Amino acid sequence: AQSVTQPDIHITVSEGASLELRCNYSYGATPYLFWYVQSPGQGLQLLLKYFSGDTLVQGIKGFEAEFKRSQSSFNLRKPSVHWSDAAEYFCAVAGPAGTYKYIFGTGTRLKVLA
Amino acid sequence: DAGVTQSPTHLIKTRGQQVTLRCSPISGHKSVSWYQQVLGQGPQFIFQYYEKEERGRGNFPDRFSARQFPNYSSELNVNALLLGDSALYLCASSFGVNPYEQYFGPGTRLTVT
Repeated sequence: AQSVTQPDIHITVSEGASLELRCNYSYGATPYLFWYVQSPGQGLQLLLKYFSGDTLVQGIKGFEAEFKRSQSSFNLRKPSVHWSDAAEYFCAVAGPAGTYKYIFGTGTRLKVLA
Repeated sequence: DAGVTQSPTHLIKTRGQQVTLRCSPISGHKSVSWYQQVLGQGPQFIFQYYEKEERGRGNFPDRFSARQFPNYSSELNVNALLLGDSALYLCASSFGVNPYEQYFGPGTRLTVT
């Protein structure tokens, strides 16, 4: 069965420091992968997506993610975190063809120290 | 352009009652999906509708139902509410039947007391 694991429930970084959020997936075929961000009380905003091609994808707000098939990972990175990046981050994989659903991880809550 | 809109924003209901949540997709999008997000967890897929037909269903009881209208807006209905139905209900729209680029609305916060 398809699944997404985000091993870190909470991460705290200082403003200006680099960030890496981990995501591991289980999927039999080539996955479609996504990172979303959710601010408190808000819906989900798409940061970036991977469908195929270049394994390093660029997103909005200075985020990037790298797809590593050998490690079944799709980690999110940002070289310098801003206080406004504090939010919850969700990794998702598009479900198998015919099910039309996203499977989300449990999320990583990011706290940014001034 | 307007994004996905949902109404109401917040809702408080009593156990056993019924609730209807509404979603309007982005203009031109024909697919609507519904997700339930319980506090502290990731969203869980409930339904997908495309061209007014159900195309996908998650592991939710029959108390949950949905429909899509000719203008592609959608309603999610939940009957016989339980305390465990308290959650943020998210609607997402996409252009085609394969929701490989979904855009989410702000959600409806449902509290069941």
